[in-house]
Amino acid sequence: ELKVEQNPLFLSMQEGKNYTIYCNYSTTSDRLYWYRQDPGKSLESLFVLLSNGAVKQEGRLMASLDTKARLSTLHITAAVHDLSATYFCAVRNSAGGTSYGKLTFGQGTILTVHP
Amino acid sequence: GAVVSQHPSWVICKSGTSVKIECRSLDFQATTMFWYRQFPKQSLMLMATSNEGSKATYEQGVEKDKFLINHASLTLSTLTVTSAHPEDSSFYICSAKDRSSYNEQFFGPGTRLTVL
Repeated sequence: ELKVEQNPLFLSMQEGKNYTIYCNYSTTSDRLYWYRQDPGKSLESLFVLLSNGAVKQEGRLMASLDTKARLSTLHITAAVHDLSATYFCAVRNSAGGTSYGKLTFGQGTILTVHP
Repeated sequence: GAVVSQHPSWVICKSGTSVKIECRSLDFQATTMFWYRQFPKQSLMLMATSNEGSKATYEQGVEKDKFLINHASLTLSTLTVTSAHPEDSSFYICSAKDRSSYNEQFFGPGTRLTVL
């Protein structure tokens, strides 16, 4: 069974600081996703990571993937208040069978950026 | 980009009534759609996979007689919560798989269900 663990679950940051959210998963996968969710809203897709060593950046967010360690990171650079949201990683099941293609989500990281 | 809509965006109903939620892929055909449930401050949990023209497959612990899924066309899946109770109050999110976009899932805006 595919398990996805994020940490930390809660993150309180000062504006201007850097921090990293970690996402570990238990079995081989071919795709890892990062999403942002604002209160009362659905998911906004941030990144799709497909291969080992993949790195993608958008603004103050940078995501990377290490498939050998089964680890992805979401790095926040010089945080601003607008980044306050809940961030989820999700891993696609590529093992075959009835679970193929399904997404398993991490618990989510609630990020709050303070002035 | 691929767009998925849900209707209604929010619904309040009395206990014991049934509620239908629609999920539509607006600019692509989706043979597979997924239904998720999200309780406050929790993650998304997959409830079921909806397959066009065939029966839905449910995740372990999800009552198929309570959460009826119908995927009648390539652009529409419906989730009916039958005899809803307050514990069914949740945020329901659907996603649709777009074969022309490497089978990526695109998420709908969600439906907030409150059962009184």
